[in-house]
Order: sequence, then C-alpha cells, then structure tokens
Amino acid sequence: EAQVTQNPRYLITVTGKKLTVTCSQNMNHEYMSWYRQDPGLGLRQIYYSMNVEVTDKGDVPEGYKVSRKEKRNFPLILESPSPNQTSLYFCASSLSGTWVTGDTEAFFGQGTRLTVV
Amino acid sequence: AQSVTQLGSHVSVSEGALVLLRCNYSSSVPPYLFWYVQYPNQGLQLLLKYTTGATLVKGINGFEAEFKKSETSFHLTKPSAHMSDAAEYFCAVSIGDMRFGAGTRLTVKP
Repeated sequence: EAQVTQNPRYLITVTGKKLTVTCSQNMNHEYMSWYRQDPGLGLRQIYYSMNVEVTDKGDVPEGYKVSRKEKRNFPLILESPSPNQTSLYFCASSLSGTWVTGDTEAFFGQGTRLTVV
Repeated sequence: AQSVTQLGSHVSVSEGALVLLRCNYSSSVPPYLFWYVQYPNQGLQLLLKYTTGATLVKGINGFEAEFKKSETSFHLTKPSAHMSDAAEYFCAVSIGDMRFGAGTRLTVKP
C-alpha cells in the first residue's frame, strides 16, 4: 500500500530536549516536504527536499533541521524545541519534477502532534 | 508569489443541503489548484485538482469545483451534504511550490 509514515503520532517533550520526527514513504517519490498546521494559519511549509541530499527552506524553517540521506526518508529534527513549536506536523511526498510544475498529487502522513512544555 | 484565501473558517450546513466552500487565489501565472480534505486525526487527502483543460473538475465523494479565471476563484461544491462530509477542507495553489489556505471546517447538522 502506498503510504507516508510518520512517527511518533503524539509526542510531549520539554523545552530544549532534542527530538526527531521520522518520515518514510514507499512510493519512490523524489520530492518530500514538512508542514506545520496551526489553527487559523493552515499548513505552512517548514522544509522541502527535491531529491537525495537536496533540501531547502520553506516559509517557517527557524528552529528546524532536516536531512535527506535516502530517497525514502526525510526526518525532521528539532535541536532545541521551544513551546512555540507546539503544533501538528505533516510530512508529504510527491513525484519530483511534476511537483515543481504543480501537476501532481501530494501524499500526506497521518501527522505528529507535538507538545513542548 | 502565489497565495490562497479561503473565505469562512467555519461553514455549517444541514444534511441534504448544498455545500459551498470558497477559495480565491492570487497568481501571476496560470496556477494548478487543489482541494484537500482532512478528517479528524488524519492526514490530508486529495479531493480534486485543476491543472489544464476543462474548468469544471469532479472529485471524489460527489464534490466538484470550477476554475474561474476571471474571478480568480476555485470554489468547492457538493449538491447534497452528508454527515460523513464533516471535515476540514483546504484549498491549495501550486506553481513550483504548494501553498495552502487557512482551511474551512465544515459541520453538517442532522
């Protein structure tokens, strides 16, 4: 089954404690992206990756890191989480090239609800 | 840069009534437009998309949307709401990158 898998689904952590949210897709997609969803703000892009070893900042990259060492995985790293990073996070993947032209569908993970206290 | 505005953060309809969710976009070039649906505790699923060609696009679950270039709109409609349609709906525009609207929560009353 084609899917994007995020882990964990729920996470409560303390300020400053490094954490990683994993994202894996089994569709051989080249393009992957991270979004955060906050009430009234919709989805805002954090980082995206056009292919292995190619990443770039989205609209709200501050406080986040990503890496793309393999095509299927795109982890989101919070080196020193703060309460303003409490949010619902989504990973998405899509075919590269066609994503750039817009003519494609994005597949989303189930989401990770992060609370930083 | 492209952007999307969804009019109305919350829409409430009765079961069997028409559903109309509004989306206006801003883009300097012809855009690709999408509607996604998010059910509680789930990720986003594609409802329908407009790329080129026919301006009336049909999607899953009886939804459709019409691309109106003159009005820069891509409103989502469904003739008869079902209880199962209750969800959050996101309009998105894509030109090299995908931008989402703030979302509209649809409530369906019995």
